[in-house]
Amino acid sequence: ETGVTQSPTHLIKTRGQQVTLRCSSQSGHNTVSWYQQALGQGPQFIFQYYREEENGRGNFPPRFSGLQFPNYSSELNVNALELDDSALYLCASSRRPERDTQYFGPGTRLTVL
Amino acid sequence: GQQVMQIPQYQHVQEGEDFTTYCNSSTTLSNIQWYKQRPGGHPVFLIQLVKSGEVKKQKRLTFQFGEAKKNSSLHITATQTTDVGTYFCAGPRLENEKLTFGTGTRLTIIP
Repeated sequence: ETGVTQSPTHLIKTRGQQVTLRCSSQSGHNTVSWYQQALGQGPQFIFQYYREEENGRGNFPPRFSGLQFPNYSSELNVNALELDDSALYLCASSRRPERDTQYFGPGTRLTVL
Repeated sequence: GQQVMQIPQYQHVQEGEDFTTYCNSSTTLSNIQWYKQRPGGHPVFLIQLVKSGEVKKQKRLTFQFGEAKKNSSLHITATQTTDVGTYFCAGPRLENEKLTFGTGTRLTIIP
C-alpha cells in the first residue's frame, strides 16, 4: 500500500452534472498529480499541485479544475460532465514536483450516463 | 507532441516463458520509469532509469535504458502467474517535466 487514499471509490453521474474527487497524499509528500485513465489506455496527466499552487497542466479543458489544501490533500473538480469523462481518475503523490516516483492511489471510477 | 509508444500492445505467454516489452519515445528522455498495473488495480512504481545505457535488475525483471535515451525495455525471465498485468513506461515531458505514460503492454499468462 502506498498510503495514498482516494474517495469515493466509484461514482455515477449524468451528463451536465459536476463532480468532486478527493485525494490524500502520502505522509511527507507535498506534490499531488491527477491522471485520467480511460479503459485500455495509459494514464493521461491532467494537472499537478505543489504547495497549494497548480504546477503544470495537461491537455484538459478548463472545466477540469483542482485544489490543494495546506495538509497537501487535493480535490479534482469536473464541471459539465460529458460521456467521454467516464474513466478511472488516479491521483499520485510525490516528494517533489519533477522527475520523482509517483505513488498512486486506488483511483475513483467515474461513470457518466 | 511528445509520444511514448510501447510494443506489443498485448502479449500472451505460457507460464515459464520469457516476456519483453519495448518502449519508444519521440523525444530524448531525462529518465524513464516503469509501472505495473494489475487488472482492476492502480499503477505501482517498479523502477527508474536515468543514465544512458543503464541496466537494472530486480529478481527476474531486467530493465534497460537505451544509449540515446529514447527507448527502454523490460524483460521478464520465466514468467509466473503473478506477473499478469499491464506494464507502462513513463517519461517526463519536455515542456514541463510531467510524466507522459506509454500505451502499455498487457501481459497474460497461460498456466
